[in-house]
Amino acid sequence: GAGVSQSPRYKVTKRGQDVALRCDPISGHVSLYWYRQALGQGPEFLTYFNYEAQQDKSGLPNDRFSAERPEGSISTLTIQRTEQRDSAMYRCASSHTRQGLNEKLFFGSGTQLSVL
Amino acid sequence: AQTVTQSQPEMSVQEAETVTLSCTYDTSESDYYLFWYKQPPSRQMILVIRQEAYKQQNATENRFSVNFQKAAKSFSLKISDSQLGDAAMYFCAYRTGHNNAGNMLTFGGGTRLMVKP
Repeated sequence: GAGVSQSPRYKVTKRGQDVALRCDPISGHVSLYWYRQALGQGPEFLTYFNYEAQQDKSGLPNDRFSAERPEGSISTLTIQRTEQRDSAMYRCASSHTRQGLNEKLFFGSGTQLSVL
Repeated sequence: AQTVTQSQPEMSVQEAETVTLSCTYDTSESDYYLFWYKQPPSRQMILVIRQEAYKQQNATENRFSVNFQKAAKSFSLKISDSQLGDAAMYFCAYRTGHNNAGNMLTFGGGTRLMVKP
């Protein structure tokens, strides 16, 4: 696609429910990143993949959060038993290669999650 | 771990004037990259400018330029001839230069820039 696509754009859920957030990176991009941005704060790294392999999940807050990218393209971030503190913008980004001097990160428009 | 600090939660500038946004960072690495991102009300993330730490020359992109002081670990953004469309949140970000670390960014807390007509 033309850019990084995330769905849904907005998600409202009740506390205790599970949610799945989807990211469709730019076609052919090797690396995919998940960030979380609370209101009024900067994005915070969660996890990233090279192809289908999860390289770093040190930013995931706890074991209710998980992510997968089974075929090296689309990725899903899952939050189980949501809590109000999980409310934030969840943003995905992709890059063409793993890392290069001039590598650019392309961000999606994000999924705004509200947990009631 | 690296940290990025933006000490100005809000800044205001008159249209056509110049404004400087501050950013400091803490790292023990010598090889890294620094970025400024713009987040308008649409909440997109737009790369404004990028600086490689090994380059002494300050990066410039049209009306945007940086003052990179490596010894002081300072990376400020100067916006010249400010325009109404420059109004946004601005985030400073750090990326390690290590080859195996991927493209992970550490962001500062942001500065909200208001432009007065």
